[in-house]
Parts: sequence; structure tokens; C-alpha cells
Amino acid sequence: QVQLQESGPGLVKPSETLSLTCIISGGSINSYFWSWIRQSPGKGLEWIGYIYYSGSTNYNPSLKSRVTISLDTSKNQLSLKLTSMTAADTAVYYCARGAKGIAPSGATYYFDSWGQGALVTVSS
Amino acid sequence: SYELTQPPSLSVSPGQTATITCSGDKLGGKYACWYQQKPGQSPVLVIYQDTKRPSGIPERFSGSNSGNTAALTISGTQAVDEADYYCQAWDSSTWVFGGGTKLTV
Repeated sequence: QVQLQESGPGLVKPSETLSLTCIISGGSINSYFWSWIRQSPGKGLEWIGYIYYSGSTNYNPSLKSRVTISLDTSKNQLSLKLTSMTAADTAVYYCARGAKGIAPSGATYYFDSWGQGALVTVSS
Repeated sequence: SYELTQPPSLSVSPGQTATITCSGDKLGGKYACWYQQKPGQSPVLVIYQDTKRPSGIPERFSGSNSGNTAALTISGTQAVDEADYYCQAWDSSTWVFGGGTKLTV
């Protein structure tokens, strides 16, 4: 049973860079899309981006210019960096494991494991 | 960019059937999945590949997907099912979420 645990600063100042980590335990890194997803207070889920176990990445176009996601397979550690933080970036940040399945009409993609989330507040 | 649209809210009485819809252009040509999120908790996958239930998800949860609409159906809805529900699909190598539906029982 894979477990995901986010950690990072609960408070970030405007214009600063957010750095979050997610420790992956109890499962293999291989063949998954390791992702970050956030949820602003009272709002819905927003996909930030993923890194495939092989190292390829893809980001939400709305955040692409500010986001870097990395994966340290030696430490089983997923990381997120988000630059130029503003109040609009205040949210609970989740790390999640994205799975790809092969189905009759093609591939199917879903998040089968989530961390407990880390609340990040942007304020001076 | 691809968009998924859900009704903001749905209210049902205990024991009734709840059907939450998710609309997107040619969504039936993709695979949809659904997450349940209770207050203060992380989302939990309840349906994937349109119709499949992960281990541990009750049989009263079912899914469908055709045309432009995917649906999550909860038969014999219980008070414990009160939560926010999100649909999700994959498009052009990006993960797309619907805006979420608050189910009140």
C-alpha cells in the first residue's frame, strides 16, 4: 500500500518561491505519473503537473511558466517548486500517484493514491 | 484546453438514487473517473475507466460514459455518501478535473 506524505512551509511571502516535497513509501516509483494537485479554499481540484518515472514532465499551461516538478528516485522523493507566489496560490497542495491502465478503447488515466495534503498560505 | 462541466450541487433523500453528471466534448471517446472528497480529507477514487470500482468501494457506486456525458450513480444513497464528487479525464497529456458537485443527503 503506497503512502504519500507532503511537507513544506505553511506560510510563504508574496513573490517568493514555494518548495514542497512528498515522500513516497510502500510502493514502486516505476510506471507511474507522480503529480501535484492543488485545491484553493472552498474550490475544486486543479492539476499542476506530473513527472513520469522516466523523468518526462508536463505542466498545466496556466502554471507552466512558474512550475518545476522533480523526482529523486534514490530518495523516493517528489518535489514541487512554484515561483512568484501570490495570494491566488493559497491552497492545499496534494501529491498523488497517477496510474495508466490499458483498456479496450485505449489508455485510461486516474489518480489511485493521494497524500493528506499540505496547506500553503501566501501572506506577508 | 479541454473542459469538464458538473452541476454545482445535488440533493437527494436517503435511499434514493443520486446521479451526478460530467459533460465534455466527445467525453464518451475518452475514459472518465470519479473521486469522492469529504470535508477535510483527501480525494478518494471511486470509479475509474468509466465503470470500474476500486477495491473497497461499495457496489452502490457505478459509472457510465457515452456521447458527451459521463455519470456517477449512487444507488440507495446513504448519509455517509454526502461529499464533493469530481470527475476527471485525460486530454492531450494533461489531467482535467470537473468543477465538482456537492452531494447533500
